[in-house]
Amino acid sequence: NAGVTQTPKFQVLKTGQSMTLQCAQDMNHEYMSWYRQDPGMGLRLIHYSVGAGITDQGEVPNGYNVSRSTTEDFPLRLLSAAPSQTSVYFCASSYLVSPTNEQFFGPGTRLTVL
Amino acid sequence: GQQVMQIPQYQHVQEGEDFTTYCNSSTTLSNIQWYKQRPGGHPVFLIQLVKSGEVKKQKRLTFQFGEAKKNSSLHITATQTTDVGTYFCAGDDGGSQGNLIFGKGTKLSVKP
Repeated sequence: NAGVTQTPKFQVLKTGQSMTLQCAQDMNHEYMSWYRQDPGMGLRLIHYSVGAGITDQGEVPNGYNVSRSTTEDFPLRLLSAAPSQTSVYFCASSYLVSPTNEQFFGPGTRLTVL
Repeated sequence: GQQVMQIPQYQHVQEGEDFTTYCNSSTTLSNIQWYKQRPGGHPVFLIQLVKSGEVKKQKRLTFQFGEAKKNSSLHITATQTTDVGTYFCAGDDGGSQGNLIFGKGTKLSVKP
């Protein structure tokens, strides 16, 4: 099993550009989520999904869109990048019902917006 | 909304000293999880606590969940350089479809 994979690992954008961060998992997890991590701010939830076709907003959703057409994939779209979106982005997945709802994190995407 | 506070933000210790990080939630939690993130890496699950007053040990790490299920702690005995990283607690209030609220983390550095 590859676990949770994310692409790209690094990305530099100019203000106003759009892009999609890819996330995929091969563990058949129902729950998938996107976090951003900024220095001193911990991990903040952007969007999450509890299954294919179902998405919802987290704590900091503005400027981001998501979709979940399959169980495996959960891409995050930046519509018009802003310098405030410079951050490290982590995708995570887990079972909805299990003895522990341990979240498995991907390796992250380090995004810089100039 | 639910908040999870974690202290201290930073801790610098000499190798062999003990280390503790504390986590407090504004609401009662159904469970709490702890994660470790090595420098440049991603968060990795350490443990989940569910029961009031629960204490779990993993080698030199001891995890506690408070009686009121609103606070938790992670204690490392005799730190080693391999313990370096940021430790996060994450609370689940049981009503948010599996969403976790993460504390801001405690960054541990260990001087050899």
